[in-house]
Amino acid sequence: KNQVEQSPQSLIILEGKNCTLQCNYTVSPFSNLRWYKQDTGRGPVSLTIMTFSENTKSNGRYTATLDADTKQSSLHITASQLSDSASYICVVSAQGTYKYIFGTGTRLKVLA
Amino acid sequence: DTAVSQTPKYLVTQMGNDKSIKCEQNLGHDTMYWYKQDSKKFLKIMFSYNNKELIINETVPNRFSPKSPDKAHLNLHINSLELGDSAVYFCASSPAGINYNEQFFGPGTRLTVL
Repeated sequence: KNQVEQSPQSLIILEGKNCTLQCNYTVSPFSNLRWYKQDTGRGPVSLTIMTFSENTKSNGRYTATLDADTKQSSLHITASQLSDSASYICVVSAQGTYKYIFGTGTRLKVLA
Repeated sequence: DTAVSQTPKYLVTQMGNDKSIKCEQNLGHDTMYWYKQDSKKFLKIMFSYNNKELIINETVPNRFSPKSPDKAHLNLHINSLELGDSAVYFCASSPAGINYNEQFFGPGTRLTVL
């Protein structure tokens, strides 16, 4: 069964600190993995997209890694800001389908 | 310059009513989607259309009927609304093709059924 699991479920950090969010998946055959940021009351916004051959991708202070062998991905946020407070969702798609399997998300709260 | 727009943003209605949510994208994308986000914030795909043709139809009650008059629009009509339909509904679009394509989401429509 295609599944995407994220951890932790929620996280609270102080402004300026770094953090890492985890995503494990069982989707097969793998096509690509994306990380989305969803602010409260808004739609998700794409941060990174990685295919099988890519093992790291950065978008400003966001760096995603992908280990296709262990089927794990992480999203590292550097020097967190208050505006990073949001839900971060890992999404994996399978080859040959239009389907995107969404994780349950990690809710990040950055405190001043 | 809204890329994916939805109307209305909020919808409060009584059980048993019929309602529609509209979605439009001005990105020139061929594929559009409807997602439901429940109270636990879990996003689940409901439907997907590619160039006006239905390509994904997950296990969704028949009370939900998508309609795509053209590839820039994908509307969602819901009959006989139930309490469990209360959720945030997101429309999204992506370019043609099935791999390595970014999805762009609308702002969501918060549906509350009383």
